[in-house]
Amino acid sequence: AQSVSQHNHHVILSEAASLELGCNYSYGGTVNLFWYVQYPGQHLQLLLKYFSGDPLVKGIKGFEAEFIQSKFSFNLRKPSVQWSDTAEYFCAVNADRDDKIIFGKGTRLHILP
Amino acid sequence: EPEVTQTPSHQVTQMGQEVILRCVPISNHLYFYWYRQILGQKVEFLVSFYNNEISEKSEIFDDQFSVERPDGSNFTLKIRSTKLEDSAMYFCASRAGAGQYFGPGTRLTVT
Repeated sequence: AQSVSQHNHHVILSEAASLELGCNYSYGGTVNLFWYVQYPGQHLQLLLKYFSGDPLVKGIKGFEAEFIQSKFSFNLRKPSVQWSDTAEYFCAVNADRDDKIIFGKGTRLHILP
Repeated sequence: EPEVTQTPSHQVTQMGQEVILRCVPISNHLYFYWYRQILGQKVEFLVSFYNNEISEKSEIFDDQFSVERPDGSNFTLKIRSTKLEDSAMYFCASRAGAGQYFGPGTRLTVT
């Protein structure tokens, strides 16, 4: 069965700091990978996705993620965070032949102004 | 930009009552989903729906749950007899090709 683990439950950073949120998945076959973001009081929004091709994926708001197949990882990065990045971030996976998305438990990111 | 919409935003019901949560997927999408998130826990898949039938459901989606696409635009989730443990945020999602787009959620509180 597929599973997703996010290493950090709560991250606190100052503005302009660099961000890396860890995500590992377990599944032996081909997967599609996602990062979703949920800003306070808002719904889940797709930040970026990887289906195939270049393992370095760029998303909205300056975020990027790198798929490293050998490590079963899909870490999210941003070189310089802003206060408005305060949100909860969810890594998610779906198997290529499957339809449902399996979510990680989420990482709550708090940016200090 | 088209969005998935859900109504109501918050539903309070008594244990044992039936509730219907409504979703309007993005208009050209053909695949529809329900997920839920119990407070403090991860988002969990409930059911997927395509071509007017359930294509996959999770263990959570027991006989108390049902889904329907009653017309060309709405996609509903019905819980026949709510339990306290059904209290959660329920998200609808839809897709055309790759990537599911989520609605804002309905917060269901069972008292």
